Amino acid sequence: DGGITQSPKYLFRKEGQNVTLSCEQNLNHDAMYWYRQDPGQGLRLIYYSQIVNDFQKGDIAEGYSVSREKKESFPLTVTSAQKNPTAFYLCASSPGPGRLAGGYNEQFFGPGTRLTVL
Amino acid sequence: GQQLNQSPQSMFIQEGEDVSMNCTSSSIFNTWLWYKQDPGEGPVLLIALYKAGELTSNGRLTAQFGITRKDSFLNISASIPSDVGIYFCAGPGSNAGGTSYGKLTFGQGTILTVHP
Repeated sequence: DGGITQSPKYLFRKEGQNVTLSCEQNLNHDAMYWYRQDPGQGLRLIYYSQIVNDFQKGDIAEGYSVSREKKESFPLTVTSAQKNPTAFYLCASSPGPGRLAGGYNEQFFGPGTRLTVL
Repeated sequence: GQQLNQSPQSMFIQEGEDVSMNCTSSSIFNTWLWYKQDPGEGPVLLIALYKAGELTSNGRLTAQFGITRKDSFLNISASIPSDVGIYFCAGPGSNAGGTSYGKLTFGQGTILTVHP
């Protein structure tokens, strides 16, 4: 089945440690995204990538880093510089420009990773 | 920046009732998306709208792209318990040149509770 996978579902880390969240897609989508969701709030964009080896900062990139070495993978590292890292993290992908079904706009989400920093 | 305001923030309804919620923007959108999020899961795309005035249905769900291009509406008919969740509207942001690069702006969500 085609889809987006995120692992692990729950992650616990001590304060001051870096942690990397995994996101993999087998939809052959060009674009991938990372969002953060806090209780009672909408989704806020952290980073996005339209093509392999290229990525852009979103609205709340401080304290996060990403890489896009493969089309299928877009890992997110939450660094110790992120002041309030406990949140629900969502990865998404979209077909990209010139593609069927909505281009960039129709984004499909993974199941999320809930990160708790103790 | 662009903002999306959803209302109501929450709804408590009886099974079988119809539901209406809306989303308004501070600027014109060329696309409106409606998502549903179950607790602890990622959002699922319900309906995508691409043309002002467009009315699109997906089962018991109907969404409309407002004529002013600054609002959208989602209706759910004959609600059932599995409709429970958070409903988000979203629309594409734009860079200085006015082109969207997949930077969706999300509303804060409408929390729907359905009593059996």
